Amino acid sequence: LAKTTQPISMDSYEGQEVNITCSHNNIATNDYITWYQQFPSQGPRFIIQGYKTKVTNEVASLFIPADRKSSTLSLPRVSLSDTAVYYCLVGGGDDKIIFGKGTRLHILP
Amino acid sequence: NAGVTQTPKFRILKIGQSMTLQCAQDMNHNYMYWYRQDPGMGLKLIYYSVGAGITDKGEVPNGYNVSRSTTEDFPLRLELAAPSQTSVYFCASSITPGQGLLSDQPQHFGDGTRLSIL
Repeated sequence: LAKTTQPISMDSYEGQEVNITCSHNNIATNDYITWYQQFPSQGPRFIIQGYKTKVTNEVASLFIPADRKSSTLSLPRVSLSDTAVYYCLVGGGDDKIIFGKGTRLHILP
Repeated sequence: NAGVTQTPKFRILKIGQSMTLQCAQDMNHNYMYWYRQDPGMGLKLIYYSVGAGITDKGEVPNGYNVSRSTTEDFPLRLELAAPSQTSVYFCASSITPGQGLLSDQPQHFGDGTRLSIL
């Protein structure tokens, strides 16, 4: 059963680049890696998804090494509004979905 | 666009009561999901549906029932509410996964229903 491990919390300052790493040692061949952002009292919001190498969109980049046993979400030049919980998600085996506890990112002024 | 709409936003139930949490999406997504999120925890999949008339169990289905009579609606029913079901419930939808796996398509979430069982 695929499982993800992320830091429980991180602090950073406005304008900095933030990198959040997720470990997923048991990732299956067909699994994609997806990151979600969640603000208090809201549902998770899709940020980025990838299978291998590097993916970039207008809000983030996702780095995936060749062995795919980990991935790193990179948020460029964060602002206070990026304070949220970030979830790394991979397939859960038997076509299930496993959300971990996420990383609580706190951006300081 | 409304996206995924959940009603009600808040509800308090007494032990043993029943209720239905409503979820509707207007994106013509075939796949729909129900999750629960306990305080400080991640989301756990309760049930999901791959299309009208088809549902399947997730990680924590006990105590819940679902139905999917239309593409748009995916209600979640609690038959005998218990304190352990106090949680925030999220509904989500997605387009049909390309490889048939739940994890390979982004999900669109509603804003949740906060349910307390007393």
